[in-house]
Amino acid sequence: DIQMTQSPPSLSASLGDKVTITCQASQNINKYIAWYQQKPGKAPRLLIRYTSTLESGTPSRFSGSGSGRDYSFSISNVESEDIASYYCLQYVNLPRTFGGGTKLELK
Amino acid sequence: QVQLKETGPDLVQLTQTLSITCTVSGFSLTTYNVHWVRQPPGKGLEWMGAMWNGGGTDYNSAFKSRLSISRDTSKSQVFLKMNSLQTDDTAKYFCARHSAAISPFDYWGQGVMVTVSS
Repeated sequence: DIQMTQSPPSLSASLGDKVTITCQASQNINKYIAWYQQKPGKAPRLLIRYTSTLESGTPSRFSGSGSGRDYSFSISNVESEDIASYYCLQYVNLPRTFGGGTKLELK
Repeated sequence: QVQLKETGPDLVQLTQTLSITCTVSGFSLTTYNVHWVRQPPGKGLEWMGAMWNGGGTDYNSAFKSRLSISRDTSKSQVFLKMNSLQTDDTAKYFCARHSAAISPFDYWGQGVMVTVSS
């Protein structure tokens, strides 16, 4: 199984800050990583696929990068609506595996 | 539009069997794949298994032989059945869609929260 190590587990930011979350895979995942946003009580929402491709409706302040085993996800100019938990997902192999999640809070 | 909706019990007794139905609309189960993902309260997401568009299935080995996924294409429904429930199976259970290509889960149901009670 591919392990996805996501950090940090929690993040505190002020409005307008830039924040970055990382995911490291236990093996090369060939850029097949997606990023999800999840608000309390809701289903995850797909924001980015294939490392850096924004889904329709994803604001441009969200971005992703990386290759091989190492990937990052950033939010520039954090807005109040971005307060949520974020998860990475590798979808190159079965079982699909998620990172442990990052909870973004307001400072 | 694409929709997935899970229906199932709120409460299941210890050691009993959980059955959840995912009813989809806006797409065909013979074109798209449907997966099951669960999330214990306050914790992360765990992939459970998949129903492929061709009718095959795959399972997370973490569930060993407890888990079964099936479908009724005529009713646009995918079924999850898991036996020998324990308290750590208390979770929100989601179904999610993914296309036939190498792609992530793009649409999710709202989830159903299941509590395993002793």
